[in-house]
Amino acid sequence: DAGVTQSPTHLIKTRGQQVTLRCSPKSGHDTVSWYQQALGQGPQFIFQYYEEEERQRGNFPDRFSGHQFPNYSSELNVNALLLGDSALYLCASSSMDQGLGRTDTQYFGPGTRLTVL
Amino acid sequence: EDQVTQSPEALRLQEGESSSLNCSYTVSGLRGLFWYRQDPGKGPEFLFTLYSAGEEKEKERLKATLTKKESFLHITAPKPEDSATYLCAVRGGYQKVTFGTGTKLQVIP
Repeated sequence: DAGVTQSPTHLIKTRGQQVTLRCSPKSGHDTVSWYQQALGQGPQFIFQYYEEEERQRGNFPDRFSGHQFPNYSSELNVNALLLGDSALYLCASSSMDQGLGRTDTQYFGPGTRLTVL
Repeated sequence: EDQVTQSPEALRLQEGESSSLNCSYTVSGLRGLFWYRQDPGKGPEFLFTLYSAGEEKEKERLKATLTKKESFLHITAPKPEDSATYLCAVRGGYQKVTFGTGTKLQVIP
């Protein structure tokens, strides 16, 4: 059973460029959340996707956008990169319980290390 | 706004020396408290989910407990391979998950 996968593993960009990160959820999961983790900090919630729609969003600017595909995989796009966007970007997948109206435990991928020069 | 505070920030133990990590939280309607383990440069690895005060879960040398204001991760007779950062997170009424900054554990042989 494949877990959450992310690509690429590492990425180096320059200020002002745009980047796209990709995530495939764990088998059986339909919800994807994205997090940004700066060095020495806990993960910060960016947004969550379910049924191809953004359901929740954290305190991140509109430069951060996403997409979910019919097969539940997801992309995170960041425009106009800043030095402060350098971080480990984590994808987490979970399953939405329609009856309870909530997602269960999130499982994380290995992350994408983004460096902005 | 949901908040999670973990203490201590760092903990150094001798192999076999048991201890506890603390996670204090404020959340509007707890929908779950989560413990993860994270090795440097890697994604968090799921350990436990707790839903209500009084609940306890165990896995090998780890035991997680939950009260209405805090959670503890008890580590019994730790080994060097238990060295990692332990993250606590809560999910509130709006589904958003809020993480603490973690406790960095080092177990010395």
